[in-house]
Amino acid sequence: GENVEQHPSTLSVQEGDSAVIKCTYSDSASNYFPWYKQELGKRPQLIIDIRSNVGEKKDQRIAVTLNKTAKHFSLHITETQPEDSAVYFCAAHRGNTGTASKLTFGTGTRLQVTL
Amino acid sequence: DAGVTQSPTHLIKTRGQHVTLRCSPISGHKSVSWYQQVLGQGPQFIFQYYEKEERGRGNFPDRFSARQFPNYSSELNVNALLLGDSALYLCASKQGSTDTQYFGPGTRLTVL
Repeated sequence: GENVEQHPSTLSVQEGDSAVIKCTYSDSASNYFPWYKQELGKRPQLIIDIRSNVGEKKDQRIAVTLNKTAKHFSLHITETQPEDSAVYFCAAHRGNTGTASKLTFGTGTRLQVTL
Repeated sequence: DAGVTQSPTHLIKTRGQHVTLRCSPISGHKSVSWYQQVLGQGPQFIFQYYEKEERGRGNFPDRFSARQFPNYSSELNVNALLLGDSALYLCASKQGSTDTQYFGPGTRLTVL
């Protein structure tokens, strides 16, 4: 089955700096890669996703890059703000194969943005 | 539109008991998936149902079961509870034609 590794486990940056979180996956058939943000005691919320036919996607301060050959994808947050502090999870999925929807998650990165 | 809803919010049980968790998907979503999130880890896939049929099962023992109703809501049942079943149980729904899953707030289960 799919295995997703995520690094680093914790990340501390100063407000205004950039943050990068990296994930690798094992199943070359995976073709959908979402990123979720989870604040303490809250539900995971989708912040950005990318499909395997795209190499990069950007949404304001957040961007995701995908390298299918190396089987890794990364989350980039620019101009970080205190409200970006949370746990971030990457995930991988064989998208929409017979309406299947199993996401395999990484172990999470705790991002702390300090003033 | 209302998001995914789950009940109850919190639950305390003792070892050996049975528990039923409930989930209502976003209106129009026919797929419901269940995940277990142990403290400090990422969610782990338990089950997926689509159009009331099981479409996927994770690596969980037979003590875990689920079903989906005609209105697409779902129940997760866990029998013979163990201390290790203590976790946040998340439900996620999606439309059949897309990949994006939306999570509910979860049910925090504590087994004493």
